[in-house]
Amino acid sequence: SQKIEQNSEALNIQEGKTATLTCNYTNYSPAYLQWYRQDPGRGPVFLLLIRENEKEKRKERLKVTFDTTLKQSLFHITASQPADSATYLCALTGGNSGNTPLVFGKGTRLSVIA
Amino acid sequence: KAGVTQTPRYLIKTRGQQVTLSCSPISGHRSVSWYQQTPGQGLQFLFEYFSETQRNKGNFPGRFSGRQFSNSRSEMNVSTLELGDSALYLCASSFWLANTGELFFGEGSRLTVL
Repeated sequence: SQKIEQNSEALNIQEGKTATLTCNYTNYSPAYLQWYRQDPGRGPVFLLLIRENEKEKRKERLKVTFDTTLKQSLFHITASQPADSATYLCALTGGNSGNTPLVFGKGTRLSVIA
Repeated sequence: KAGVTQTPRYLIKTRGQQVTLSCSPISGHRSVSWYQQTPGQGLQFLFEYFSETQRNKGNFPGRFSGRQFSNSRSEMNVSTLELGDSALYLCASSFWLANTGELFFGEGSRLTVL
């Protein structure tokens, strides 16, 4: 069956360090993968999208990698700050057919400790 | 540009009742997707509407239904409410199909079923 797994429910990290979050999937052939940030009581906010033919994408302190052989995406936040504390969700579709919805992992709750 | 607006933000119902939630997408967006979010299951896809047509439906019972109007506004309805329907219901809009790019989420409607 299709599955999206984010490596841990919660991750604690010291301010200034690099946070690395993992998203693994099985039985999907996604055309691309997305990462969202969600704060408590709020809707998710889009961060980055990476396509299957892209190995890496960066935006300010964020970096995403996408390995379709390993069926894995890594999400990095460099020089992490307490304001980065939130839940991070990965999302993907089953393929580039028009009829597959965007499905989300359960998220990793990141806490950056000052 | 105004964001995605969901109403009501909070509501309390009792078992057996029915509820209607509303979503106004970003102006110009034609796709509206609905998700149910619970602590145990994460974000679960309910359905997507595009230009008034249901494009996709998730694995939810028939008690969950939705529709989209010609102005792209969408409503979802849950009939015969059960305790397990207590959740945050999130609506997301996009210009094109939801699986082709970034989703813009509303703040959600928090439903409590007693």
